Amino acid sequence: GESVGLHLPTLSVQEGDNSIINCAYSNSASDYFIWYKQESGKGPQFIIDIRSNMDKRQGQRVTVLLNKTVKHLSLQIAATQPGDSAVYFCAEIPRSGTYKYIFGTGTRLKVLA
Amino acid sequence: ETGVTQSPTHLIKTRGQQVTLRCSSQSGHNTVSWYQQALGQGPQFIFQYYREEENGRGNFPPRFSGLQFPNYSSELNVNALELDDSALYLCASRQYSTDTQYFGPGTRLTVL
Repeated sequence: GESVGLHLPTLSVQEGDNSIINCAYSNSASDYFIWYKQESGKGPQFIIDIRSNMDKRQGQRVTVLLNKTVKHLSLQIAATQPGDSAVYFCAEIPRSGTYKYIFGTGTRLKVLA
Repeated sequence: ETGVTQSPTHLIKTRGQQVTLRCSSQSGHNTVSWYQQALGQGPQFIFQYYREEENGRGNFPPRFSGLQFPNYSSELNVNALELDDSALYLCASRQYSTDTQYFGPGTRLTVL
């Protein structure tokens, strides 16, 4: 079935550097994507979203890029800080059928001091 | 904070028992979804409720059931608990006309 996967389970980044977290999706019918941050013991926290009619969207220190040709999504975090340490999930929302979020396994981001 | 609350925070049950988890959505959010998140995995969609009726379900057996109330609260009920039901259960709410869901902190269920 359709799935959302992440290329790297763990990403270690030096504080101050930029982070890039990648995500692949398989359902070409998906038209909405969200990145969530989940800290230990907490629920997923909304970071940024993007619709399929866009290629790029920027937020505060974060940028999401969408490449529909290769079904790839990425989250870029500028000037990574210790507070960015968490597990990051991309979620895919198919256009039709049951409105449900399809999550991947997640990428753990570790920020090194 | 998302405005979505869940109770209890943690719960321990034994195999075969029944459990009820509760969620209070943001005011005005008439759609609620429940997810199961096993350790080290992404959340898996259980079902969604809109206007107090289930209108979407994932690959979960009928012993997983739910209720939604007019006051934006909801429940997840699991009967005949199995060891594999041990997980973090997440509630997420949204307005039906919007796409973005906001998650609660979750309830950690341990089945012994």
